[in-house]
Amino acid sequence: DAGVTQSPTHLIKTRGQQVTLRCSPKSGHDTVSWYQQALGQGPQFIFQYYEEEERQRGNFPDRFSGHQFPNYSSELNVNALLLGDSALYLCASSRDGGGTDTQYFGPGTRLTVL
Amino acid sequence: GDSVTQMEGPVTLSEEAFLTINCTYTATGYPSLFWYVQYPGEGLQLLLKATKADDKGSNKGFEATYRKETTSFHLEKGSVQVSDSAVYFCAFYTGGFKTIFGAGTRLFVKA
Repeated sequence: DAGVTQSPTHLIKTRGQQVTLRCSPKSGHDTVSWYQQALGQGPQFIFQYYEEEERQRGNFPDRFSGHQFPNYSSELNVNALLLGDSALYLCASSRDGGGTDTQYFGPGTRLTVL
Repeated sequence: GDSVTQMEGPVTLSEEAFLTINCTYTATGYPSLFWYVQYPGEGLQLLLKATKADDKGSNKGFEATYRKETTSFHLEKGSVQVSDSAVYFCAFYTGGFKTIFGAGTRLFVKA
C-alpha cells in the first residue's frame, strides 16, 4: 500500500517565478492538506482540500493556491516567489472528509528560492 | 490563539539514558494530541497519539499521557538508542481541519 507521495523532491527557483508541487494521497484517503516547514520550525498549515474544494486556509497570502483532482491528488501553486518561500512543503492525507484526527505525511518537496 | 510550546533543543543523551521532552498546549475545545518524529532525510511520521484526558499513547518504547489539568503531553522513553536520534514534534488537532505543531525538539543520542 503506497503512502503519501510528493513530487518533485527538490526544486530551485528564482524570485518572481511560479512553482507547482504535486501530491498523491495514501490509498483510501480523500482529503489533502498542505503545510510549510521552514528550517528549524514546525509545519505551518497552508490549506486543506476536500471534494475538490478548499475547505480551510491558514495565514498564507493569495499567492498560495491549490487544486484537488477527482482522483484526490492535489497541487500546490505558489506565484511571485519570495526568498522567504524557501522551505520544505509537506502534503498530508486523511480520510472521511478530514473528520479523523490522524494525518499521514509525505516526504516533502524542498523548495529553494534564489 | 491555539499554540504548542515544547522544550527547546538540541537534547543530547547517552545511549540507555532516560528521555523526557516537555510539551504544553493552548487549545480551544478538546484536542487530540500527537507526537510526530522526523528522522534525517525523511518525512513526518506519527509516533503516538491520545484522544482524551488521561489517555496514554505509546509506541516503540515511547509514552505520553494526556494531562488536561496541566494542558501537557510530555514524551518519555526509559532507555534511548542511537536510532532514536531525530526531531520530535508535539502537535494537536481540534477538529478544525488543521494540525497545530510545536517548533520541534532535536534529539541526539551518543553511543
